[in-house]
Amino acid sequence: SQTIHQWPATLVQPVGSPLSLECTVEGTSNPNLYWYRQAAGRGLQLLFYSVGIGQISSEVPQNLSASRPQDRQFILSSKKLLLSDSGFYLCACCGGYTFGSGTRLTVV
Amino acid sequence: GQQLNQSPQSMFIQEGEDVSMNCTSSSIFNTWLWYKQDPGEGPVLLIALYKAGELTSNGRLTAQFGITRKDSFLNISASIPSDVGIYFCAPYNTDKLIFGTGTRLQVFP
Repeated sequence: SQTIHQWPATLVQPVGSPLSLECTVEGTSNPNLYWYRQAAGRGLQLLFYSVGIGQISSEVPQNLSASRPQDRQFILSSKKLLLSDSGFYLCACCGGYTFGSGTRLTVV
Repeated sequence: GQQLNQSPQSMFIQEGEDVSMNCTSSSIFNTWLWYKQDPGEGPVLLIALYKAGELTSNGRLTAQFGITRKDSFLNISASIPSDVGIYFCAPYNTDKLIFGTGTRLQVFP
C-alpha cells in the first residue's frame, strides 16, 4: 500500500517569505499526485495535480506553484507568502486513495 | 464549469440514529469516493464506488453510485460518538479529484 510523507506538520511564516512544502510517496510508481488547501472549517480546494514528472495542472490562479522533479516527489512553493495563503495543505496520491497528514501553515 | 453540491452542510444527531448525506454534480463521473476527516488530520477513504448503480457497504456505512453517474449518497446506520467528523464526497474521472463541501456530523450521547 502507498504511504505519503509530508512535512513539516506545522509552519509559521512571515508575509513575504518563500515557501516550500514537500510530499514524497512510497509504495507505488507513476502516481497521480495532488495538492489541496483547506481553510478552517471548510472543504478541500484542489490547487494542483500532476500525472507525471514535470506535468503540472493548476486549478486555481494564485500565489503558489508546484513542481514534480521526480516520479514520487511533489513540491508546493511560493516566492512571497500572503496572509491568505494560511491554511491546511494536504498532499494526496493514487486517485485519492492516500492522503498525507498535512501541513498547517500560518502566515503572520 | 463543473458544480458539485453536498448536503446537508451539517447534522446534529443522537447516538443510535441513522444518517444520510448526498452529493450531486452537473457532470458525469466514473468513480465516487467517500471520505471522513477528523480534526487536524488528512481525509481517510471510507468507500469507493466504480459502477453506476453500485451499492457498497463497509461496516455500518453504505454508499451508492447513482444511475445517472451524477450523484452518490452515503448512509451511516446506528451512529456512535466516534462517527463525529466531516464527511466528503469526491467524484473522480481520470486525473482530477475534486471534493464536495463536506457534511459536518455531530453525534450526541
